[in-house]
Amino acid sequence: AQSVTQPDIHITVSEGASLELRCNYSYGATPYLFWYVQSPGQGLQLLLKYFSGDTLVQGIKGFEAEFKRSQSSFNLRKPSVHWSDAAEYFCAVGAPGGSYIPTFGRGTSLIVHP
Amino acid sequence: DVKVTQSSRYLVKRTGEKVFLECVQDMDHENMFWYRQDPGLGLRLIYFSYDVKMKEKGDIPEGYSVSREKKERFSLILESASTNQTSMYLCASSFAGNTEAFFGQGTRLTVV
Repeated sequence: AQSVTQPDIHITVSEGASLELRCNYSYGATPYLFWYVQSPGQGLQLLLKYFSGDTLVQGIKGFEAEFKRSQSSFNLRKPSVHWSDAAEYFCAVGAPGGSYIPTFGRGTSLIVHP
Repeated sequence: DVKVTQSSRYLVKRTGEKVFLECVQDMDHENMFWYRQDPGLGLRLIYFSYDVKMKEKGDIPEGYSVSREKKERFSLILESASTNQTSMYLCASSFAGNTEAFFGQGTRLTVV
């Protein structure tokens, strides 16, 4: 079974600073990988996804993520954070083939200081 | 746009009540999910359905049941609500195979 680890419970950055949120997965082959964002009191919105091909994927709101097979990682990055990026971020993994049941990490809470 | 609609944003129920949480999706998705979200624990899968009348237990099914009589609707049932079921409940849907899940806005349930 697949699993996801988000090592950072909270991350605090200043507005305008760069951001990297970490995600490590466990799966025997190349999984499907996702990043979701959740604003307070809302459901989850997909930021970006990786299925195959180019290991650097671009998403919405200026986010990108890079799949690194050797490190079993799929870290989320943004070059310049805006105050509106303050939210909860979830990494998720799906196993190719068969029914798709996404497994989520515990989430990282992003705090943005002015 | 895919729309997943949960019937209530906020719900307050009494201990012992039978509670129904409803979820409807409009994209003809085969898969539907119910997750529970608690601080520090992320999203935990309660039940999953891959077709009408089909269901599978997730990681934390105890105290819950589900119903899927129509493809677009997936209901979560708390047979006898307890205070430890106070939580945010998220419904999601996806196509069969491996595509992203689309989420509803969530229902914040408080059991008193």
